[in-house]
Amino acid sequence: DQQVKQNSPSLSVQEGRISILNCDYTNSMFDYFLWYKKYPAEGPTFLISISSIKDKNEDGRFTVFLNKSAKHLSLHIVPSQPGDSAVYFCAASGADYNNNDMRFGAGTRLTVKP
Amino acid sequence: NAGVTQTPKFRVLKTGQSMTLLCAQDMNHEYMYWYRQDPGMGLRLIHYSVGEGTTAKGEVPDGYNVSRLKKQNFLLGLESAAPSQTSVYFCASSYGGQTDTQYFGPGTRLTVL
Repeated sequence: DQQVKQNSPSLSVQEGRISILNCDYTNSMFDYFLWYKKYPAEGPTFLISISSIKDKNEDGRFTVFLNKSAKHLSLHIVPSQPGDSAVYFCAASGADYNNNDMRFGAGTRLTVKP
Repeated sequence: NAGVTQTPKFRVLKTGQSMTLLCAQDMNHEYMYWYRQDPGMGLRLIHYSVGEGTTAKGEVPDGYNVSRLKKQNFLLGLESAAPSQTSVYFCASSYGGQTDTQYFGPGTRLTVL
């Protein structure tokens, strides 16, 4: 069963606008969440993370929001740039769940049009 | 500083053949991981290691074996390849556990005919 779900396989936005990527999880034991970015023919690279004790974490143009009651997190990119075009993976783990078993979503392909 | 490297980049096997994928990291990380990525499935953890000489099963370990004889290397073996093992394999390493940033290699694309 997929415990981390990214229901939108793709998203297309105009340069300069906001990109919002969504992620839902089912396991309430997850308490740490990450976003990874992947370009073609490369491995994923870490983008931003958030602990369950927070509801928001910001790093430059990237902000992750966590809604624990809804088991939902989102990644906001403002403003979006063509270089942001990539596949974005949401991931979740938990110290009580199994600290070494991170679960990934299927990814959302973001295309930012100039 | 090469980060995480994987060998080979591509491989085609016939059903029943065996092979070993090599992962090497030069960041002195304790933790290393092997994932597979399949369309619509995201990355799934196969095996991981929390230090030299240790290995543990992840989410999808069946059909694979691993070894961590040296801290910098993590090997993934397929003893008898099956078409279901056609996938892209990623190795990753981190200094600490899952809450530490994982650094990924570029991937190995394996096709089993």
